[in-house]
Amino acid sequence: AQKITQTQPGMFVQEKEAVTLDCTYDTSDPSYGLFWYKQPSSGEMIFLIYQGSYDQQNATEGRYSLNFQKARKSANLVISASQLGDSAMYFCAMREGPSGGYNKLIFGAGTRLAVHP
Amino acid sequence: GAVVSQHPSWVICKSGTSVKIECRSLDFQATTMFWYRQFPKQSLMLMATSNEGSKATYEQGVEKDKFLINHASLTLSTLTVTSAHPEDSSFYICSARESGRGTDTQYFGPGTRLTVL
Repeated sequence: AQKITQTQPGMFVQEKEAVTLDCTYDTSDPSYGLFWYKQPSSGEMIFLIYQGSYDQQNATEGRYSLNFQKARKSANLVISASQLGDSAMYFCAMREGPSGGYNKLIFGAGTRLAVHP
Repeated sequence: GAVVSQHPSWVICKSGTSVKIECRSLDFQATTMFWYRQFPKQSLMLMATSNEGSKATYEQGVEKDKFLINHASLTLSTLTVTSAHPEDSSFYICSARESGRGTDTQYFGPGTRLTVL
């Protein structure tokens, strides 16, 4: 089974509107971390936001927020007030196991977001 | 903070030659670095986990004799593609995990585009 599933290969959004990028995960480990990265056409991977499995509140970082629904095993990224510079590939990733170990990240297939003026 | 550099950013080489790619954490110490490979329009594929002062841990299917990894210090890991062939052409990207942080966030370098003729 896929550990990280991003069901939207591509998304379009109008500038200044909000957009939600979906991510579901599968793990039996009670301790895990969820990450979102942005990859523009230049190729660099830019860290956006992190959510720990034991965090009580949804993570927020500026215009980015993570809609963490633990029972549904979903960790959707919400981008508010989209900007043209948000056009990029977005990857959801999961670390299984507690932080501080040598646990690797498992990446989803990615969602390409296009922001239209 | 948390800047990772990668050198070179792109390289073109002849088949049969070896290519070394450097990954440096510029403003933090990284006991663990990761090497990924990314084909066009695909997600990141973890190749190996590099731990400072010890042998790298390779993912299944990755040839350790072909992709030599050396993590000699807390700020430098190198990937050497030995006897490169056209099928090794890809985007190679490293990441470094900042030691001592609770999130285990991986910060990525800008990537190296390798073309083997």
